[in-house]
Amino acid sequence: GAVVSQHPSWVICKSGTSVKIECRSLDFQATTMFWYRQFPKQSLMLMATSNEGSKATYEQGVEKDKFLINHASLTLSTLTVTSAHPEDSSFYICSARDSGINEQFFGPGTRLTVL
Amino acid sequence: KQEVTQIPAALSVPEGENLVLNCSFTDSAIYNLQWFRQDPGKGLTSLLLIQSSQREQTSGRLNASLDKSSGRSTLYIAASQPGDSATYLCAVRSLAGNQGGKLIFGQGTELSVKP
Repeated sequence: GAVVSQHPSWVICKSGTSVKIECRSLDFQATTMFWYRQFPKQSLMLMATSNEGSKATYEQGVEKDKFLINHASLTLSTLTVTSAHPEDSSFYICSARDSGINEQFFGPGTRLTVL
Repeated sequence: KQEVTQIPAALSVPEGENLVLNCSFTDSAIYNLQWFRQDPGKGLTSLLLIQSSQREQTSGRLNASLDKSSGRSTLYIAASQPGDSATYLCAVRSLAGNQGGKLIFGQGTELSVKP
């Protein structure tokens, strides 16, 4: 199957700093990528949908100025958590849709801990 | 608004037992339904994808069924093994939106198979 990578796999940062997470589709082109957040013992919650070359679409309740998404190429999307706070600590998972077969593939996730 | 519910939330069975995980969704206008496995602290592994026109899919010891009209899907695991222990997530893609819309996840069923 198609492979989606995320970097870093985990990150610890101080409160107030910004953290960038990369999501890459390794062997397919993805015009659409998705960012999810998962708190412990809970399911995945969609944060935003990003389309290559255009602005991301955010779900209700997700602050677009806090969670900056850039989808500059068909294989790369980035999520930047700006001015991170402890409540932003979570597991962030990206997903990329293979345009050719219209199926979504998930990255391994990034564990963010904000001290 | 599509809502996905999974029952039970947690399940513990002895090794070798056959088991069924349940998933229900409120809007039958779906593009497809997908079952995933998630190990602790890891990303998602796709198990089975059922298109809206299909009734079931099989892979090894796994069988997933779909009854779109009643808004239900089941994941059947035969001869369970300790290695099957994980959280199983059901996700539905609605028809709305570009190329079939967003994936909406259930809360998951945490399965523990005891040796």
